[in-house]
Amino acid sequence: DAGITQSPRHKVTETGTPVTLRCHQTENHRYMYWYRQDPGHGLRLIHYSYGVKDTDKGEVSDGYSVSRSKTEDFLLTLESATSSQTSVYFCAISESAAGTADTQYFGPGTRLTVL
Amino acid sequence: AQKVTQAQTEISVVEKEDVTLDCVYETRDTTYYLFWYKQPPSGELVFLIRRNSFDEQNEISGRYSWNFQKSTSSFNFTITASQVVDSAVYFCALSEPQGAQKLVFGQGTRLTINP
Repeated sequence: DAGITQSPRHKVTETGTPVTLRCHQTENHRYMYWYRQDPGHGLRLIHYSYGVKDTDKGEVSDGYSVSRSKTEDFLLTLESATSSQTSVYFCAISESAAGTADTQYFGPGTRLTVL
Repeated sequence: AQKVTQAQTEISVVEKEDVTLDCVYETRDTTYYLFWYKQPPSGELVFLIRRNSFDEQNEISGRYSWNFQKSTSSFNFTITASQVVDSAVYFCALSEPQGAQKLVFGQGTRLTINP
């Protein structure tokens, strides 16, 4: 199994509060991703990182920010949580060489509920 | 834009039946990668297979087989002699070969195998 952990695994928070989710990897992979999973939508990409301090937006980035100060850690922050951000959040990692697509391996997920 | 469609939202079969999960994709890229992931009731995402667009050979792994047809933009997944442990949500995904190789997921198919 790929060495990916997410913390916390479950969180309940209130509307308007800031929330930070952490993804930690032990594989030294270059790429890290944050997805959210919602019924009827599958998984959708929020943000991704292609190296330390190098990040970019995905399909559903509004209301989220990310940071990556170390290869092993990728943080997802909800600056002011809203009920629409209630979801299951998955982190993924991959080591992609040029011209090919490496497999993305996923962490265990974080279930976030915004009341 | 890339798109993946899994038209079957839910499938229910009796154990030992064969079942096929459909996946249709859209992309303008000539090179791309296709994936299948399994999400059992425990919630983690398990990688099953990766296939690049240049390899149209069918793949068989035990009771699992995959049929890739570029002519119909489909990458279908068949489980032979299904078992209760195959009950899960299955996701098909599409990736570009360049850059961040972001995954675009289908909506998922919930497969229930009844004893």
